[in-house]
Amino acid sequence: AQSVTQLDSQVPVFEEAPVELRCNYSSSVSVYLFWYVQYPNQGLQLLLKYLSGSTLVKGINGFEAEFNKSQTSFHLRKPSVHISDTAEYFCAVSEWGNEKLTFGTGTRLTIIP
Amino acid sequence: DGGITQSPKYLFRKEGQNVTLSCEQNLNHDAMYWYRQDPGQGLRLIYYSQIVNDFQKGDIAEGYSVSREKKESFPLTVTSAQKNPTAFYLCASSRWTGGSYQPQHFGDGTRLSIL
Repeated sequence: AQSVTQLDSQVPVFEEAPVELRCNYSSSVSVYLFWYVQYPNQGLQLLLKYLSGSTLVKGINGFEAEFNKSQTSFHLRKPSVHISDTAEYFCAVSEWGNEKLTFGTGTRLTIIP
Repeated sequence: DGGITQSPKYLFRKEGQNVTLSCEQNLNHDAMYWYRQDPGQGLRLIYYSQIVNDFQKGDIAEGYSVSREKKESFPLTVTSAQKNPTAFYLCASSRWTGGSYQPQHFGDGTRLSIL
């Protein structure tokens, strides 16, 4: 069965500093990988997705993620964060042929002015 | 603009009462999902439906029921059998292309609390 681990529940970062949010997954088959962002009292918005092809995926709001099959990771990065990036970020995985998503427990990103 | 509408935004339940959360989408998506979100636990799948008049249990279906009479609508009923219903409930939908995965789109959620 597929599973996702987000190693950090909270990440504080100074404004304009770089950030990396870590995500590792477990699956016995090929997977699709996603990062979603959730602002307070709102639903989830898709940041980026890896379906196939290039392992470096670029998303909205300047975020990117790299799929590393050997390390079963899909870490999210941004070179310079802004106050508006304060939110909770969820990594999710879906196995090929299975439309069900499994989510990690989330990482709360706090930007320090 | 197309999207997913969840209502109400806030809902309160009395002991022994069933309540129904509404989810409507105008994206012409085939599949719809219900998730429950608790602090520190991420999202957990309650039920999902790939076509009208058919649905499957997710990981935490006990105490919940759904129907899918129309493609646009997927209401969730939280029954009195659900002993800990306080949570944030999210509805999602996705387009099914016969094997090619399409990302899920989410509504803005309903926050359910016990009176």
